[in-house]
Amino acid sequence: AQSVTQLGSHVSVSEGALVLLRCNYSSSVPPYLFWYVQYPNQGLQLLLKYTSAATLVKGINGFEAEFKKSETSFHLTKPSAHMSDAAEYFCAVSVMYSSASKIIFGSGTRLSIRP
Amino acid sequence: GAVVSQHPSRVICKSGTSVKIECRSLDFQATTMFWYRQFPKKSLMLMATSNEGSKATYEQGVEKDKFLINHASLTLSTLTVTSAHPEDSSFYICSASRDPRYQPQHFGDGTRLSIL
Repeated sequence: AQSVTQLGSHVSVSEGALVLLRCNYSSSVPPYLFWYVQYPNQGLQLLLKYTSAATLVKGINGFEAEFKKSETSFHLTKPSAHMSDAAEYFCAVSVMYSSASKIIFGSGTRLSIRP
Repeated sequence: GAVVSQHPSRVICKSGTSVKIECRSLDFQATTMFWYRQFPKKSLMLMATSNEGSKATYEQGVEKDKFLINHASLTLSTLTVTSAHPEDSSFYICSASRDPRYQPQHFGDGTRLSIL
């Protein structure tokens, strides 16, 4: 069964520093993988997605993620953190069933930015 | 881009009442919508898959008589929490996709439900 594991429930970095949020997946078939961001009391916004094309995926707000099959990882990075990046980040995998697919989310990582 | 609208954004009601939450896809037809529940500082838990014109598919452990889902049109799904109790208080989020076979899903802004 497909699943994702996010390592670290809370990550804190200084403004301007590298952001690295870790995600490992488990899937018996080539997965579709996603990163979503959630700001307080809001829904989720898609940052980027991997759908078996390029392994390095660029998303919005300067984020990118690299799909590494050998490591079963899909870590999210951003070269330089901004205060506005403080939010909850969810890694997710798409699970096919019947004629539709559903998303299974990781447990989330809260990103804090220090001035 | 695609937009999913969820209403209301916040509702407070007394224990024992029923509450309806609406999820609309504003610029595309969604044959499939999804309902999630999120506990404080927790991840999203898929509750059910809402299928237009047919019964919803509930995840294991979710009471279908408690959480009624109706998907009467291609742009609207509703979640009704029946006879709500304080333990039903949570953040409920819906999502929809242009094509249910593929992603990504587009999410509503969520509904904060508080049962007194």
